[in-house]
Amino acid sequence: QKEVEQNSGPLSVPEGAIASLNCTYSDRGSQSFFWYRQYSGKSPELIMFIYSNGDKEDGRFTAQLNKASQYVSLLIRDSQPSDSATYLCAVKAGNNRKLIWGLGTSLAVNP
Amino acid sequence: IAGITQAPTSQILAAGRRMTLRCTQDMRHNAMYWYRQDLGLGLRLIHYSNTAGTTGKGEVPDGYSVSRANTDDFPLTLASAVPSQTSVYFCASSPTGGPAGTWDTQYFGPGTRLTVL
Repeated sequence: QKEVEQNSGPLSVPEGAIASLNCTYSDRGSQSFFWYRQYSGKSPELIMFIYSNGDKEDGRFTAQLNKASQYVSLLIRDSQPSDSATYLCAVKAGNNRKLIWGLGTSLAVNP
Repeated sequence: IAGITQAPTSQILAAGRRMTLRCTQDMRHNAMYWYRQDLGLGLRLIHYSNTAGTTGKGEVPDGYSVSRANTDDFPLTLASAVPSQTSVYFCASSPTGGPAGTWDTQYFGPGTRLTVL
């Protein structure tokens, strides 16, 4: 059973701080890793994906991948109240088109 | 149309009734997916289609059927709705190709909130 695990939270950070969200996965052969943001009552929207070890930056967001330790993280710099949402980690494993989803981490950024 | 549309936005349905949730995308993506999302259970894949004319079962297919007659449309049918099918349903699609990682990226529609009484 391939699994993706996230701390459910809630993770609470003050405005302007760095929020760190973590995700671990069980399948060592996993290939691509995705972070989505989901506001309450809305659909998931892609933040970024990463497939190589190391860091990938996009604006205030940085994804970090460590395949040896089987974890991927998302850092949000200068957190804003508008970043308050649930963050979903998804992993592609195998040769099919399906993603394996974590249950999400709830983030609250306090003004 | 821009992206993925779903209809209806919400629906209250009597148990035993037949219901079709509609999903249309205009991005010419080959792969499409249907998920349900329930509190505490996350996103669960119901059915998927890698390309027009093919479909496959996901994690929770029982009670649901799909068809993929063309690239753009991927309807989900509940033949005889039961209360346990009360959920939020999301349709998603993935592009055909592109740089590594992009063809696995899934883009979501706005969802359908279904209540079965």
